[in-house]
Amino acid sequence: GNSVTQMEGPVTLSEEAFLTINCTYTATGYPSLFWYVQYPGEGLQLLLKATKADDKGSNKGFEATYRKETTSFHLEKGSVQVSDSAVYFCALQEGNYGGSQGNLIFGKGTKLSVKP
Amino acid sequence: DTGVSQDPRHKITKRGQNVTFRCDPISEHNRLYWYRQTLGQGPEFLTYFQNEAQLEKSRLLSDRFSAERPKGSFSTLEIQRTEQGDSAMYLCALKDRLGYEQYFGPGTRLTVT
Repeated sequence: GNSVTQMEGPVTLSEEAFLTINCTYTATGYPSLFWYVQYPGEGLQLLLKATKADDKGSNKGFEATYRKETTSFHLEKGSVQVSDSAVYFCALQEGNYGGSQGNLIFGKGTKLSVKP
Repeated sequence: DTGVSQDPRHKITKRGQNVTFRCDPISEHNRLYWYRQTLGQGPEFLTYFQNEAQLEKSRLLSDRFSAERPKGSFSTLEIQRTEQGDSAMYLCALKDRLGYEQYFGPGTRLTVT
């Protein structure tokens, strides 16, 4: 079945450091890929998405590129801030053909802590 | 504001009791999803509605769980005879028919003692 694997945390970085959180997926068809973020005490928020191969999603300085050849969707940010401390979830949504219901399949999450 | 409210935000119940959660979309959305998130894990799909029709249930949704969306707007999730293993965050999400994104509510945290 479809699945998402992301690097285990926690990840601790100093402010202004470069961030990479790895995410790989297994899926049939052509899934859409997402990164969601959960700040302390808050709900899940969509951070960025990519709906087809080679698409790059970006938001708030974060980027991720949909790589079909490596089945990956790694999250990157050039310079993290303390306010980026949160749990990050990679997710896939099955392709819409074939009658898929479109539910999301999530990775286990990666906790990021950024120190000043 | 994600356009989704959930009630209650927290529920503590004793094992064996029934509980009901509610999800209220602020605006109309074609699809409504329920997920469950346990500590240290990502959300797991439970069920989804297209308008008022419940079209899919996950294997996680045992016979003790039932969900409704009577008028195609708000939805309820009921758990009968709760067990300690039901302790989790229950999340509601909305999706437009044409869009890719799902927008999550704040969740209801259930603790079964």
